[in-house]
Amino acid sequence: GAVVSQHPSRVICKSGTSVKIECRSLDFQATTMFWYRQFPKQSLMLMATSNEGSKATYEQGVEKDKFLINHASLTLSTLTVTSAHPEDSSFYICSASRQARNQPQHFGDGTRLSIL
Amino acid sequence: AQSVTQLDSQVPVFEEAPVELRCNYSSSVSVYLFWYVQYPNQGLQLLLKYLSGSTLVKGINGFEAEFNKSQTSFHLRKPSVHISDTAEYFCAVEGGTSYGKLTFGQGTILTVHP
Repeated sequence: GAVVSQHPSRVICKSGTSVKIECRSLDFQATTMFWYRQFPKQSLMLMATSNEGSKATYEQGVEKDKFLINHASLTLSTLTVTSAHPEDSSFYICSASRQARNQPQHFGDGTRLSIL
Repeated sequence: AQSVTQLDSQVPVFEEAPVELRCNYSSSVSVYLFWYVQYPNQGLQLLLKYLSGSTLVKGINGFEAEFNKSQTSFHLRKPSVHISDTAEYFCAVEGGTSYGKLTFGQGTILTVHP
């Protein structure tokens, strides 16, 4: 089955630090990757959609200058949380899809981000 | 726009009992439907999907779901659950203008008791 690797699995850092999270599709080419945020005991909230070689499309209310997304290749997308603050603490999950339409998304194992 | 409602936030059940997790959706266009499972501190794993064809869809780990267009439902069922099925389950829909995007339900926590 399709495998998506997300790294790191857990990050604890001080307020003001920028944190980069990587999402890799290990055995397929992901034309589209999605970034989600999940608060405790809540569902997944889509933050942005990234297509290889183009700018990410952000959902309403998500600050694109705060959450920088780069999808430089068909197997790698990164999310950088810039100048992180305690309210950015959350569980971030990426997913990858071979093509956007009707193909299931394959999810990484998530990154637990804790800002002190 | 699509929306998904999972009618039960928590479902407790005893081991080897049957279970049904309910999911209703709303959409003005044809949709694709998915069920995912999430274990603690992990990402989501696809259980099954409905794209077209037979309305009864079989997935992994003995789960199945039935697409009912008239009732706009996609309930997940398993005839006999195991302790290892304890997890959170998410129903999701893709369709219309939300090209490739999934809209998730609120999730149902299934707890299987011995």
